[in-house]
Amino acid sequence: NAGVTQTPKFRVLKTGQSMTLLCAQDMNHEYMYWYRQDPGMGLRLIHYSVGEGTTAKGEVPDGYNVSRLKKQNFLLGLESAAPSQTSVYFCASSYGMTYEQFFGPGTRLTVL
Amino acid sequence: SQQGEEDPQALSIQEGENATMNCSYKTSINNLQWYRQNSGRGLVHLILIRSNEREKHSGRLRVTLDTSKKSSSLLITASRAADTASYFCATDVHSFSSGSARQLTFGSGTQLTVLP
Repeated sequence: NAGVTQTPKFRVLKTGQSMTLLCAQDMNHEYMYWYRQDPGMGLRLIHYSVGEGTTAKGEVPDGYNVSRLKKQNFLLGLESAAPSQTSVYFCASSYGMTYEQFFGPGTRLTVL
Repeated sequence: SQQGEEDPQALSIQEGENATMNCSYKTSINNLQWYRQNSGRGLVHLILIRSNEREKHSGRLRVTLDTSKKSSSLLITASRAADTASYFCATDVHSFSSGSARQLTFGSGTQLTVLP
């Protein structure tokens, strides 16, 4: 089992550009999450999904959109990147909202 | 401030010593979890303790929970250089941003350095 994988691992964008981060899990988890981690801080929840076709806002959703067309995939989109979105993005999945979460390796995004 | 806050922010010890990290939180919880993050990697789940439990062990890890003080501690015994990492506590809280569903909220972590 690969667990949770994220694509790409690194990306540099210019302000105003768009991109999509892909997360895939092979554990048949219903719940999937996107977090961002900034230096010296814990993880902050951006968006999450409780099942295929559903998404919901987390703590810091502004500037991001998500889609969950297939149970195993959760996409995070940035329509118009801003320097404030420079961060490390982690995807995670779990059986339930407050169960153990399994994390991907992260995507380091820099917006110039 | 965040729901879960770890203390200390940084801890440096010698190999073989014990390391203790603390987590304090504000609101009632159903469970509290501890995660480890090695530099440049994702978080890895270590242990989950439920609100009706006081202590839990897993290998060299010992977690305690005191709901009256709203605090938890993570003890790593006989530390090794490979234990060098950041350690985060996560608590499940009601969140209005998630429609009042409970979600995990992470603290800002303790950076543990184990010197060989």
